[in-house]
Amino acid sequence: DIQMTQSPPSLSASVGDRVTITCQASQDIRKYVNWYQQKPGQAPKLLVYDTSNLETGVPSRFSGSRSGTDFTFTISSLQPEDFATYYCQQSDDLPFTFGPGTKVESK
Amino acid sequence: LQLQESGPGLVKPSETLSLTCVVSGGSLGNTNYYWGWIRQPPGKGLEWIGNMFYTGGTNYNPSLRSRLTMSLDTSKNQFSLKLTSVTAADTGVYYCARHAGPVAGSIDLWGQGTLVSVSS
Repeated sequence: DIQMTQSPPSLSASVGDRVTITCQASQDIRKYVNWYQQKPGQAPKLLVYDTSNLETGVPSRFSGSRSGTDFTFTISSLQPEDFATYYCQQSDDLPFTFGPGTKVESK
Repeated sequence: LQLQESGPGLVKPSETLSLTCVVSGGSLGNTNYYWGWIRQPPGKGLEWIGNMFYTGGTNYNPSLRSRLTMSLDTSKNQFSLKLTSVTAADTGVYYCARHAGPVAGSIDLWGQGTLVSVSS
């Protein structure tokens, strides 16, 4: 299985901050990384697919990029509704696998 | 389009976990999508279980393959999961979900999830 190493496990930030989360894949997965947001008691929500494509309706403050097997997810200006846990997921090879998650908390 | 899981919330060890997901507002026969399941143990991360196409083709997580059966019923617009010989490690929230994209890997629609506890 492809391993997704996600960091940091958690971070503390303030509204307006720029937040960056990274995922490193254990092998080449081309562009096939997706990013999800999950709030307590809710299902995950797809934000970014195939490295950098914003899902319909998702605010433009969210973005994704890639350098080789390293993938970055960025929130350009953190909003109150963005405090949540974020997961990366590779969809290049079966079984699809997720990173362990990054919890974004209020500083 | 909405997805809604249903099934027992409590299953005894060694028995079979059975869940159904009803698709409303859309068709399981849409050729652009696969339909599948993801689970999340309490307080932990996400695990992909498997998905399937409306024609019946399946993709299973090898870690569960020996115990897993997925099926769908296009006439009822629903799909199902059966997991045999469950243990406490199978406890968690089970989500049904729609898989989209050229490799059917981005999970763009999720059910609300249903908590299944394995306990005697």
